[in-house]
Amino acid sequence: SQKIEQNSEALNIQEGKTATLTCNYTNYSPAYLQWYRQDPGRGPVFLLLIRENEKEKRKERLKVTFDTTLKQSLFHITASQPADSATYLCALPRSYNTDKLIFGTGTRLQVFP
Amino acid sequence: ETGVTQTPRHLVMGMTNKKSLKCEQHLGHNAMYWYKQSAKKPLELMFVYNFKEQTENNSVPSRFSPECPNSSHLFLHLHTLQPEDSALYLCASSQGSYRRDSGNTIYFGEGSWLTVV
Repeated sequence: SQKIEQNSEALNIQEGKTATLTCNYTNYSPAYLQWYRQDPGRGPVFLLLIRENEKEKRKERLKVTFDTTLKQSLFHITASQPADSATYLCALPRSYNTDKLIFGTGTRLQVFP
Repeated sequence: ETGVTQTPRHLVMGMTNKKSLKCEQHLGHNAMYWYKQSAKKPLELMFVYNFKEQTENNSVPSRFSPECPNSSHLFLHLHTLQPEDSALYLCASSQGSYRRDSGNTIYFGEGSWLTVV
């Protein structure tokens, strides 16, 4: 079955720098991949979706790439701010012919002034 | 305001108690979900309802009993829980589609923190 790997170590970066988070999956190529943000003690919030035929997607300071050869998505936050500090979850369909998602454990991002 | 409202936000219950978690979605979605989130673990999908019919139960112990009276409301009835059931329980909704490329975006509530003592 499909598995997601996200770096469980927290990522600490300085304000103004670009944060890059990684999501790797293990098996088949999903039709799409999503990124969510989760603040402590709250539910995840949808940020971006990228489809298998898209290499890159942008939304304001966010950029997501999708490399089906590497089985990897990268999530970038440019000009990072302390308010970007949160856990970021990667999600994708858990098997080939379904829309039911599985989620990664998430990577915690800490942006310090 | 997320469009998905959960109550209570915090619940402490003894192992012999019976309590319920409530969820309401205001997004006009057809699918509703219960997820469990424990520390250091990925979100675990517990139950799925489509058009108020249960379509998935991921081997959840019977001490968790879901109820979906209509497409907007979802309950999770709790009975004789164990301390290891302490976690954040998240309700969510989506448009609901079986298409592979639907891009099924999930909208989560704020969660109910459950502590079993």
